Amino acid sequence: GEDVEQSLFLSVREGDSSVINCTYTDSSSTYLYWYKQEPGAGLQLLTYIFSNMDMKQDQRLTVLLNKKDKHLSLRIADTQTGDSAIYFCAESIEGGSQGNLIFGKGTKLSVKP
Amino acid sequence: DSGVTQTPKHLITATGQRVTLRCSPRSGDLSVYWYQQSLDQGLQFLIQYYNGEERAKGNILERFSAQQFPDLHSELNLSSLELGDSALYFCASSGGPSGGYNEQFFGPGTRLTVL
Repeated sequence: GEDVEQSLFLSVREGDSSVINCTYTDSSSTYLYWYKQEPGAGLQLLTYIFSNMDMKQDQRLTVLLNKKDKHLSLRIADTQTGDSAIYFCAESIEGGSQGNLIFGKGTKLSVKP
Repeated sequence: DSGVTQTPKHLITATGQRVTLRCSPRSGDLSVYWYQQSLDQGLQFLIQYYNGEERAKGNILERFSAQQFPDLHSELNLSSLELGDSALYFCASSGGPSGGYNEQFFGPGTRLTVL
């Protein structure tokens, strides 16, 4: 069955890099996503990667995908206090217009000044 | 701002009651998804509509139903409410001219409290 696992907490110092890890079980995942949720807010799509890619970079964000190990990571460079939030990893099995998302439980990132 | 709107923002009701949550997708998006976020279950997919028709079903209880109207807005109906239905309900949309089908944009959510 489909399952997405994430560690629950991560604490870093401002200016350091943060790496949030995620593992998934379904090898037929087509797209993998990172969403950010700030307190009391909805989910903000940060980035996503297609399963035939290894890496995607978008400004301070770098996504690495190891398809063999079914491991996805999100690296945030120069982490700021405004990056404090819960980060959700999600997979889409079918993609396209039928691509409902399977989410992990979320990793709470705390950034200390 | 994702462009997806949800009303109401908060809803407090009693067990056994029925409520309706409303979602307006981003302009031009054809797909609407409903998700439930609770402390114990996390974020779970409930149901998807595409251009008025049900497209996919997840862990949606029989007491819950949804529909998508010709103007593409969607409603999620929750009936015979139980304490365990207290959660944040999110709507997401995708599949419009300004974003691919692979990107889902989430609304701010409706927080339902069942007393």
